[in-house]
Amino acid sequence: DAGVTQSPTHLIKTRGQQVTLRCSPKSGHDTVSWYQQALGQGPQFIFQYYEEEERQRGNFPDRFSGHQFPNYSSELNVNALLLGDSALYLCASSRRETQYFGPGTRLLVL
Amino acid sequence: AQSVSQHNHHVILSEAASLELGCNYSYGGTVNLFWYVQYPGQHLQLLLKYFSGDPLVKGIKGFEAEFIKSKFSFNLRKPSVQWSDTAEYFCAVNARLGRDDKIIFGKGTRLHILP
Repeated sequence: DAGVTQSPTHLIKTRGQQVTLRCSPKSGHDTVSWYQQALGQGPQFIFQYYEEEERQRGNFPDRFSGHQFPNYSSELNVNALLLGDSALYLCASSRRETQYFGPGTRLLVL
Repeated sequence: AQSVSQHNHHVILSEAASLELGCNYSYGGTVNLFWYVQYPGQHLQLLLKYFSGDPLVKGIKGFEAEFIKSKFSFNLRKPSVQWSDTAEYFCAVNARLGRDDKIIFGKGTRLHILP
């Protein structure tokens, strides 16, 4: 049973560019949440998708958007990248209350 | 708004020492509580969770945590640590409001075990 998978593992972008990160949930899970983990900090909630709709959103600007597909996989898009967007982006999937995390995508914005 | 506070940013212990990592949360309603661990180079893993029932919860690798509702605390303990417990530990909480399962994390405690 595959766990949560994310791609790519690492990414380097420059300021102003746009990036798309991908997540495949654990088998049987229907909910996907995205988190940003800056260096030395705990993960911060970005948003959550359920039934292909954004169900909750954290304190992140509209530059951060997402999508969930019928197979429950999800994408996180970030537009107009800033240096401060450099972080580890984590995807977590769940069916009920317990979330299981993927390995993350490390984004570096130069 | 919910928040989670972890008391120590860095903890250094020798092998076989006892461990207690503090965690307090602020939320007046019913909560689910979690401890996650991130070993060097690995992804976040669930260590243990509390939803209801016995406030003393046992997790993997000999860890346990006690939920004290009156103190809004969920401290993590292990009687005798091993070098392999070197990792970063995160306390997390989510409010049980309908289908709200957004998790709020603490800033983490980096634990270093000396061999």
